[in-house]
Amino acid sequence: AQSVTQLGSHVSVSEGALVLLRCNYSSSVPPYLFWYVQYPNQGLQLLLKYTSAATLVKGINGFEAEFKKSETSFHLTKPSAHMSDAAEYFCAVTLTDKLIFGTGTRLQVFP
Amino acid sequence: GAVVSQHPSWVICKSGTSVKIECRSLDFQATTMFWYRQFPKQSLMLMATSNEGSKATYEQGVEKDKFLINHASLTLSTLTVTSAHPEDSSFYICSAREAGDEKLFFGSGTQLSVL
Repeated sequence: AQSVTQLGSHVSVSEGALVLLRCNYSSSVPPYLFWYVQYPNQGLQLLLKYTSAATLVKGINGFEAEFKKSETSFHLTKPSAHMSDAAEYFCAVTLTDKLIFGTGTRLQVFP
Repeated sequence: GAVVSQHPSWVICKSGTSVKIECRSLDFQATTMFWYRQFPKQSLMLMATSNEGSKATYEQGVEKDKFLINHASLTLSTLTVTSAHPEDSSFYICSAREAGDEKLFFGSGTQLSVL
């Protein structure tokens, strides 16, 4: 069975600092992996996805994530945080149709 | 980009009444729609998967007679919470995908509060 774990329900960074949101997955075979972002009062939006091509995936708004099979991880990073990055971020895993979401990480960005 | 419209965004109802939530794909044909429920501080939980023109497939533990799902057209799926009770209060969100594309598009969610 697949599962996904997001370490840290809240992450706070200063504007301009590195953003690192952690995601570890459990799956019997390499899955598809996604990062979604939810801005206040908006629907979930796809940030990026891993579908067994390049292990380093670049997404929108300067975010990227690296698939590391040996660590079963898919951490989301951004070199320099911006105030507009404040949102809830969800990691998700799927093998077929069903998307399994992590519990989410709320990112706060301080000036 | 593709847009999924979910309505209403929030609803308050009395215990025992039924509430209908709509999920529409505005610029693509959603052959599959998913309904999720989110409890505070918990992950989204998949409730059911609906394919246009067929009965929904419910996840284990989800009461199909309580959460009625209809996907009668390629652009509309509805979730009806029948005889709602306070424990049904939650955030419900739909997502949709087009045939042959694994990318999911999400509605903005519905906050249901049952008094």
